[in-house]
Amino acid sequence: GALVYQYPRRTICKSGTSMRMECQAVGFQATSVAWYRQSPQKTFELIALSTVNSAIKYEQNFTQEKFPISHPNLSFSSMTVLNAYLEDRGLYLCGARDPGRNTLYFGAGTRLSVL
Amino acid sequence: QQQVRQSPQSLTVWEGETAILNCSYEDSTFDYFPWYRLFPGESPALLIAIRPVSNKKEDGRFTIFFNKREKKLSLHITDSQPGDSATYFCAASEDTGANTGKLTFGHGTILRVHP
Repeated sequence: GALVYQYPRRTICKSGTSMRMECQAVGFQATSVAWYRQSPQKTFELIALSTVNSAIKYEQNFTQEKFPISHPNLSFSSMTVLNAYLEDRGLYLCGARDPGRNTLYFGAGTRLSVL
Repeated sequence: QQQVRQSPQSLTVWEGETAILNCSYEDSTFDYFPWYRLFPGESPALLIAIRPVSNKKEDGRFTIFFNKREKKLSLHITDSQPGDSATYFCAASEDTGANTGKLTFGHGTILRVHP
């Protein structure tokens, strides 16, 4: 079956440092990967959409300089939160699309805490 | 402006009752509406989805009723079970969004089913 592994599940970083999270699609080829963030008391916001062989598209309020994304092949994507501060806390989700089933599968999320 | 709204914020029903979760949206270009269920510590999982060509979609105990004119939809869970207790997210996208992963989420409804 289709699965999306996301790691780490939890991470704590010091204010001003960076952390990287990774997303692995298993059982299907993820033609696109979407990264979302759920901040405290908020819903899931799209950070950026990455489609293989296309430029990564960032949503308003999110930039490549802050959230660089790598999507080198159809099974792997990573995103880094650079210079993390308190407002970057939250649950980060990657969603990988299985074109065969036309379904978006989510990883379990990476919960980021910033000290 | 919140593009996708959900109500109620939380809902408690007794086992065997029908739970009704409401969702409304603003953007007329939305034409794909998935519902995701989130158990604590797990990935959001696609539960059921509908496109506006239909006004009803049924899958077991889960039914979506869709009113395109009023831009409203609702998820009905019949014969609710304690295992249905979770947070339910209504999401929306343009059809191309369904194909790429760009979803706009509501804030979720926390459902508790008492035995």
